[in-house]
Amino acid sequence: GAGVSQSPSNKVTEKGKDVELRCDPISGHTALYWYRQSLGQGLEFLIYFQGNSAPDKSGLPSDRFSAERTGGSVSTLTIQRTQQEDSAVYLCASSLWGSDDQPQHFGDGTRLSIL
Amino acid sequence: GQQLNQSPQSMFIQEGEDVSMNCTSSSIFNTWLWYKQDPGEGPVLLIALYKAGELTSNGRLTAQFGITRKDSFLNISASIPSDVGIYFCAGRYNAGNMLTFGGGTRLMVKP
Repeated sequence: GAGVSQSPSNKVTEKGKDVELRCDPISGHTALYWYRQSLGQGLEFLIYFQGNSAPDKSGLPSDRFSAERTGGSVSTLTIQRTQQEDSAVYLCASSLWGSDDQPQHFGDGTRLSIL
Repeated sequence: GQQLNQSPQSMFIQEGEDVSMNCTSSSIFNTWLWYKQDPGEGPVLLIALYKAGELTSNGRLTAQFGITRKDSFLNISASIPSDVGIYFCAGRYNAGNMLTFGGGTRLMVKP
């Protein structure tokens, strides 16, 4: 597709379980970002990938959160031993890195609910 | 860390009225972006600003990048019901950096 694709769109799981969220960026975009949005709040940066460089993990809230980007394209955000405070919408964005006039384009997010 | 203060938090206006919202930052940004988010969807880019003092329009929307690089505003003229949604400002220091978001302005339009 033409835009950023995220799956699943909704995920409900029990506290303590692990979850994986997937992001397919726009084809050709070298930069990929993960954000978290709590109900009624702005977006909070989690992690970003640029090409083969080491990712910027400075926004990850705890070591239960990790992310990978395979082959410079698809990314997976993993949350281990989920807690209720992890409930949020997780948004992925991509852009052409290195060019100042290329803003980030967002997917529709994964709504995660921890019971 | 950097913080963006966005105001107002919400607005309830009559169709046809003009709307203004703004963001201020504790530190400078080199890019300001304005996004609109509808329920269940990701933010959609409205306007991007890349130079201090820049004034850019997109239809009924006008946004400005403050001279100090610490603020930006978004105006919507002659509002219509489909303008309803949450508007977010976002700042970026360098190309490729993550975005720092404001808390959003929820706009409600009364027909």
